Amino acid sequence: GDSVTQMEGPVTLSEEAFLTINCTYTATGYPSLFWYVQYPGEGLQLLLKATKADDKGSNKGFEATYRKETTSFHLEKGSVQVSDSAVYFCALGSPGFQKLVFGTGTRLLVSP
Amino acid sequence: DTAVSQTPKYLVTQMGNDKSIKCEQNLGHDTMYWYKQDSKKFLKIMFSYNNKELIINETVPNRFSPKSPDKAHLNLHINSLELGDSAVYFCASSPGTNTGELFFGEGSRLTVL
Repeated sequence: GDSVTQMEGPVTLSEEAFLTINCTYTATGYPSLFWYVQYPGEGLQLLLKATKADDKGSNKGFEATYRKETTSFHLEKGSVQVSDSAVYFCALGSPGFQKLVFGTGTRLLVSP
Repeated sequence: DTAVSQTPKYLVTQMGNDKSIKCEQNLGHDTMYWYKQDSKKFLKIMFSYNNKELIINETVPNRFSPKSPDKAHLNLHINSLELGDSAVYFCASSPGTNTGELFFGEGSRLTVL
């Protein structure tokens, strides 16, 4: 079945460091890919998405590129802030999907 | 105005009890979901409703019964609570079944003692 694998956390960075959170997927067909973010005590929010190969999703300084050849959708940010501390979830939806399949989440901790 | 609201936010109860969690969305969305997040943050879908019709029931025990009185509400009733039911339950809504853009509530933390 469809699945998403994310790097284990926590990822601990200093403010202004470069961020990469790895995400790879297994799916039939050509899924849509998503990154969601969960701030402490809150529900998940959609951060960015990409619906086809080579698409780049971006929002709030975060980017991720849909790489079909490596079945990956890594999340990057050039300069993290303390306020980016949260849990980040990679997710996929297969064509005609009725649900999202989420990865296990990666906690990011940014210190001043 | 909160887009997706859940009540209660916290629920502590004894094993064997029955409890309900309510969810309401004011976004005009057709589709609503219940997700369960365990202590390791793993998020798994339980149910999905589209226009009050059940479309996903993801091998959830019969003790869990969702109910959608209208498309703005999706409630979750749990009978005979077990220790393993302790988790955070998230309600979510989306404009359709395959947009991928889910709007989540703040979660309801259920603790079974």
